[in-house]
Amino acid sequence: QQPVQSPQAVILREGEDAVINCSSSKALYSVHWYRQKHGEAPVFLMILLKGGEQKGHEKISASFNEKKQQSSLYLTASQLSYSGTYFCGTDTAEGRSQGNLIFGKGTKLSVKP
Amino acid sequence: ETGVTQSPTHLIKTRGQQVTLRCSSQSGHNTVSWYQQALGQGPQFIFQYYREEENGRGNFPPRFSGLQFPNYSSELNVNALELDDSALYLCASSLGLAGSQETQYFGPGTRLLVL
Repeated sequence: QQPVQSPQAVILREGEDAVINCSSSKALYSVHWYRQKHGEAPVFLMILLKGGEQKGHEKISASFNEKKQQSSLYLTASQLSYSGTYFCGTDTAEGRSQGNLIFGKGTKLSVKP
Repeated sequence: ETGVTQSPTHLIKTRGQQVTLRCSSQSGHNTVSWYQQALGQGPQFIFQYYREEENGRGNFPPRFSGLQFPNYSSELNVNALELDDSALYLCASSLGLAGSQETQYFGPGTRLLVL
């Protein structure tokens, strides 16, 4: 089951904040966040694990609510370089039976000067 | 730079043909995963290879097959190409089996167009 990301797209001015949400109908072992710029490879941002452990970039913050099966990515004081499409990848029992993460459709973030 | 490379960058094929896409993983990474990314969509898992053995497969037909070699290179083969196979194909490498605590490092992708 593919996770649902919201919003689908957001436009910000430099310096503004944004929250990107990822919601799953299945129990989650972990959530992975990636950013993809147009024509480029997805770049790893963060992994959030059950129990509160996080691995990733210090300048990016995120939360993982295991009970609600949701994760949120917090982008504060946005910069032009934050523009891109953000994907969450969920680690679920279904995904593990296949062997991998299940990615959402993405949230397109555009930061304007 | 993730240290993962893919070739070719772009490819045009006609329906019914066969195609081979190549990936070179980071040295030391035992796992390579292949994804299909349609325009405006997230990456969709095709399959994963761990130490040269297939170790998980998504909802893709058998005409999608792969190989992983001891030198950290791998291939994705697609037979009997269909128009819907047009997409960006990404490979990603990781130290261990992908998922849970493993970070995946993606290559830049191969954009395949089937006419």
